[in-house]
Parts: sequence; C-alpha cells; structure tokens
Amino acid sequence: EPEVTQTPSHQVTQMGQEVILRCVPISNHLYFYWYRQILGQKVEFLVSFYNNEISEKSEIFDDQFSVERPDGSNFTLKIRSTKLEDSAMYFCASRGDSREKLFFGSGTQLSVL
Amino acid sequence: AQKVTQAQTEISVVEKEDVTLDCVYETRDTTYYLFWYKQPPSGELVFLIRRNSFDEQNEISGRYSWNFQKSTSSFNFTITASQVVDSAVYFCALSEAAGYSTLTFGKGTMLLVSP
Repeated sequence: EPEVTQTPSHQVTQMGQEVILRCVPISNHLYFYWYRQILGQKVEFLVSFYNNEISEKSEIFDDQFSVERPDGSNFTLKIRSTKLEDSAMYFCASRGDSREKLFFGSGTQLSVL
Repeated sequence: AQKVTQAQTEISVVEKEDVTLDCVYETRDTTYYLFWYKQPPSGELVFLIRRNSFDEQNEISGRYSWNFQKSTSSFNFTITASQVVDSAVYFCALSEAAGYSTLTFGKGTMLLVSP
C-alpha cells in the first residue's frame, strides 16, 4: 500500500528555534493535512491544504505556523519560534479526493526543550 | 460543531475475551463519515474502517466488527477473541463529507490485552 513519509521521526529543538517538519504525501494525492497529538491526548487538526493554499485551519494554527508545498512532492510544516507547548507528535496526512480515506504518516515526535 | 466522545479511557482484558469500544458522536450534518484508527505503542495511526452515514449495515472484518446505530449516534467497535497484539489506543473520528473536510477525533480508548 502507498505510504505517507515523514522525516525526521524525532526532532529535538531549543525553545525559540525554528523547526521544519517534512512530509512526502502519496504521489497522486491532492489534499494534505497536518495534525498533532500532545502526549496522552487526542489527535487534533491543525491545517488542511489544497490547490496550493490553506483551505482550513484550526485555532492552534496561529502565526507561528506555516505550511508549504515547495515542489511537487514535499509538504512542510514550519514552526517559527517553538514553545515548550509545541512538544507533540505531528502527523502528516493526505488523500486523493473527498471520498477517499485519509492516509497518515508515522509522525514526527517534536520535543522542545 | 462536531464532537466525538469515547467515554472509556482505558480497558483491560485477558486474551481471548471479547471487548467493545464505545463511540458516540455529534454532528449537524446529514452526510458524514465515521472512522476508527488504531495507534499501537510505536505511535503511527493505522486506518481500520470508514463508514458513510447513509450505510448503517454492520461490518465484520476478521475479528473486528463495527455496529453503526444512527438512532443513538453511536459507532461501536468490537474485537472478538482479543490478542496481545490488539493492545493499542483506538480512536474514533468523524468528518463532514465536503472535500476539505477534516477529522474530529475522540480522546481515544487505551486497550490493554494481557496474556
């Protein structure tokens, strides 16, 4: 089965630093998402991206966050100035159309010290 | 607003027991999708099932079965003859049918299956 690939699997950073989390969605997919899961809590929606623009975002996705699809394959999440509370597992997901299931990557565990 | 409630925080069973994970949802949409995902200790989210709101037929896949009851807004998940490898956190989720729709997850139920 095709996979969504996320790198790195673990990232440790200092508070205030910028981080970029990388994702390679499934190649023919059109809709892209970032979710996060703070340790022990539920998975929360951050942002969706379609046709090279953000289509929906949650309250969590403030000005410190941005997403980009710099080329035809990568989908990135940037956190400009990380805070302790940004520590979480970040999941990338994609799907081909609205009727398809969402394919999740294995996640990037971000630890902000 | 959409909401998914998984009232069971943690369930412990002994191998070979049957176990049912409850999921109750709220939505104003007439068309929506319901999902179950499994999150093993390794952390990834594994898709188990998606069900359209118009399809109330129960589904069975091996030891897994799902009971969708629109009248009670529930989408419960049963594992028959549980195994140690079933130990994981299980999330129920809901999405609208629109193209940009996002998933609203429940808080998850941790299932511990002991030998």
